[in-house]
Amino acid sequence: DQQVKQNSPSLSVQEGRISILNCDYTNSMFDYFLWYKKYPAEGPTFLISISSIKDKNEDGRFTVFLNKSAKHLSLHIVPSQPGDSAVYFCAASARTGFQKLVFGTGTRLLVSP
Amino acid sequence: GAVVSQHPSWVICKSGTSVKIECRSLDFQATTMFWYRQFPKQSLMLMATSNEGSKATYEQGVEKDKFLINHASLTLSTLTVTSAHPEDSSFYICSARAVNEQYFGPGTRLTVT
Repeated sequence: DQQVKQNSPSLSVQEGRISILNCDYTNSMFDYFLWYKKYPAEGPTFLISISSIKDKNEDGRFTVFLNKSAKHLSLHIVPSQPGDSAVYFCAASARTGFQKLVFGTGTRLLVSP
Repeated sequence: GAVVSQHPSWVICKSGTSVKIECRSLDFQATTMFWYRQFPKQSLMLMATSNEGSKATYEQGVEKDKFLINHASLTLSTLTVTSAHPEDSSFYICSARAVNEQYFGPGTRLTVT
């Protein structure tokens, strides 16, 4: 039972354009969401997070949007840079299991020059 | 930022032997550490939650007698894969909780021959 889903296994974007990565979840108990960036054979690196009391959080080139009614969140990267090429995971946690993260399956982003 | 290290970064062992993986928080104390495993092109799956000075809490389907976790100090947790089999070959990642964030180690690639 995959509670957090990233339906696009890969995404290709040109440098300078916007990258939009999507994530859906099924568990209504989730109230905190995070995005991680991961390179092969390395641990995930935290990018940005959002609490369920917000619908948007912005940090530099990265913005996360949360639509609770649709149980959907997205990560926008603008402008995209070649160094952004990596696998992106969304993760979710519930208040009762604080910091116990459920990860999505990941989306491989390739930003071409 | 907080740094988490893992040792070894990769290990090859023969079937039937045991392997110990260390996870250290280098510049902070972590009362809680988490162990994940990731199969190729799949999500990170939480295996267990390790609390300093107490028994680990294992996720459903994870054999506690096979994956021994010890969290003897605030900066060190160990995962021992006992009687390893080829199907245990995977990428094992630990994370350490610091206040409201979770920091990930670089991972350990285990190959069982």
